Amino acid sequence: EPEVTQTPSHQVTQMGQEVILRCVPISNHLYFYWYRQILGQKVEFLVSFYNNEISEKSEIFDDQFSVERPDGSNFTLKIRSTKLEDSAMYFCASLKDTQYFGPGTRLTVL
Amino acid sequence: AQSVTQPDIHITVSEGASLELRCNYSYGATPYLFWYVQSPGQGLQLLLKYFSGDTLVQGIKGFEAEFKRSQSSFNLRKPSVHWSDAAEYFCAVGGIGSARQLTFGSGTQLTVLP
Repeated sequence: EPEVTQTPSHQVTQMGQEVILRCVPISNHLYFYWYRQILGQKVEFLVSFYNNEISEKSEIFDDQFSVERPDGSNFTLKIRSTKLEDSAMYFCASLKDTQYFGPGTRLTVL
Repeated sequence: AQSVTQPDIHITVSEGASLELRCNYSYGATPYLFWYVQSPGQGLQLLLKYFSGDTLVQGIKGFEAEFKRSQSSFNLRKPSVHWSDAAEYFCAVGGIGSARQLTFGSGTQLTVLP
């Protein structure tokens, strides 16, 4: 069964550094999403993406964040200058009739 | 704004016992409702969803959920719990149009005793 995949599974970075989290959505899906889950807290929506543009974003998704679909298969989330509070599990999802989630990337900002 | 409340942070049941996890939502129209399960270190796996029609929906792993509009609830049930069901369970609501963002509850951690 097709799955959403994410790399890396764990990323450690220094505060102020840029990180790029990568996702490969399911191939015939058209909508893509990023969510995050800070340890012990709810899963929170960040952004949705359709037809090569952002369709919705939350207040969390500020100018430090950007998304891109650089080719026909990858979907990336970039954080330009990481903060301590960006430490979280980041989930990618893609949608056909329902959102299917990847296994997540655990981002640790030191 | 849409919201989801899962009143039980942690539930413990014995293997073979029945299970009900509570979920209440707030949304201005008929919502799309979901239950996801997250095992330690894993992603979110869809258990079941409600879009419209029959208010009792069947999902994977023997789970079912019932949509009750009058109570704004979408409780998850399983008649007989297995040790492998120990995980965190998240209820989520989505807006009109299945492509809208999901709003998640804070989750219920399920422990299964042998």
